[in-house]
Amino acid sequence: DGGITQSPKYLFRKEGQNVTLSCEQNLNHDAMYWYRQDPGQGLRLIYYSQIVNDFQKGDIAEGYSVSREKKESFPLTVTSAQKNPTAFYLCASSMHSPYNSPLHFGNGTRLTVT
Amino acid sequence: DQQVKQNSPSLSVQEGRISILNCDYTNSMFDYFLWYKKYPAEGPTFLISISSIKDKNEDGRFTVFLNKSAKHLSLHIVPSQPGDSAVYFCAATTQTGANNLFFGTGTRLTVIP
Repeated sequence: DGGITQSPKYLFRKEGQNVTLSCEQNLNHDAMYWYRQDPGQGLRLIYYSQIVNDFQKGDIAEGYSVSREKKESFPLTVTSAQKNPTAFYLCASSMHSPYNSPLHFGNGTRLTVT
Repeated sequence: DQQVKQNSPSLSVQEGRISILNCDYTNSMFDYFLWYKKYPAEGPTFLISISSIKDKNEDGRFTVFLNKSAKHLSLHIVPSQPGDSAVYFCAATTQTGANNLFFGTGTRLTVIP
């Protein structure tokens, strides 16, 4: 069954620690995305990647980093520079751009930093 | 600044009746609009889309209407079913900035059996 796998589902970290969220897809999609969802807000784009070894900042990239070494994988690192890291993080992929191919989302990782 | 707005955080509808979910946008450059549906503990799933060259798109029980002059779109679900209970997100993008989807804050629909 094709899809997007995000792990872990819940993640707890102490303030000041970097943490990496995993995202793997077996849909053979070119593009991958990371979104963040906060209560009362829509999904906001953190980073996206259209092809391997290339990625672009989204609207709220500060305090985050990504890599795209393989087509299937797009891990997100939440660094200690991110001021409000506690949130629900969603990874997505699409065949091409969202303009002509819908995004497929994973089930998300809820990160809590204390 | 929220470019896509869903002003109703929640909506309750009786089973069999029509559900109407509304969405407003501020960016006149948006030319492609989508609706996503999200169940608890799952990621959003694509539901239906509409291009700005159309004013209506229908897929089974779901119809999206676009009013460009009012910068408004709506999703109609007829008839509503209990399984439709979920959070619905409106999203918009432009062909030139097409790697970024701008999402609304979502409307929680509850269909009462």
